[in-house]
Amino acid sequence: AQTVTQSQPEMSVQEAETVTLSCTYDTSESDYYLFWYKQPPSRQMILVIRQEAYKQQNATENRFSVNFQKAAKSFSLKISDSQLGDAAMYFCAYRSGVSNFGNEKLTFGTGTRLTIIP
Amino acid sequence: DSGVTQTPKHLITATGQRVTLRCSPRSGDLSVYWYQQSLDQGLQFLIQYYNGEERAKGNILERFSAQQFPDLHSELNLSSLELGDSALYFCASSEQGQGANEQFFGPGTRLTVL
Repeated sequence: AQTVTQSQPEMSVQEAETVTLSCTYDTSESDYYLFWYKQPPSRQMILVIRQEAYKQQNATENRFSVNFQKAAKSFSLKISDSQLGDAAMYFCAYRSGVSNFGNEKLTFGTGTRLTIIP
Repeated sequence: DSGVTQTPKHLITATGQRVTLRCSPRSGDLSVYWYQQSLDQGLQFLIQYYNGEERAKGNILERFSAQQFPDLHSELNLSSLELGDSALYFCASSEQGQGANEQFFGPGTRLTVL
């Protein structure tokens, strides 16, 4: 079974600075997808960024980018120019890429609570 | 707004009772997933339906059951409720099961068992 580990329960960053959230995962599969979800105080789960394992290029979405190290099974999220609205819980998630029934579920890490200091 | 709706937003009930949580997926999405978010278990997958049929089961208790109806909305039934069932229950939907299709999450139903 796949596991996802987020070793930083809490992080804080000054507004406008850059912060990196860590995520490692364990899998024996070679084809998979990785995601970062944001959960603000409203509790809504919002997809921030996704990465396909077969792609070497790191995904980027505006101020959000990832550092995907497949061999190290590491998938960190970098937030640049942090804004107050970035304050939230961030969850790393894994999804198998094997096209079998039942492989579409997301496996989540325990989350990192990010605080933005004005 | 993800396009996924869940009702009710909040539910307070007593131990031993039975409740039904409802989810309407985004228009056109065939897959519905249920997840439970609790303080001690984190976010975990419960069950998935695809076009009316059960597709995958996760850590879902036998006291819990779900179904997906012909109009693709889904219901999660929780019975013989215990204090530990208090959690936020999310429904998510995606276009189809395969690929990197994003799962769109609903706002969740907060269940409190007293």
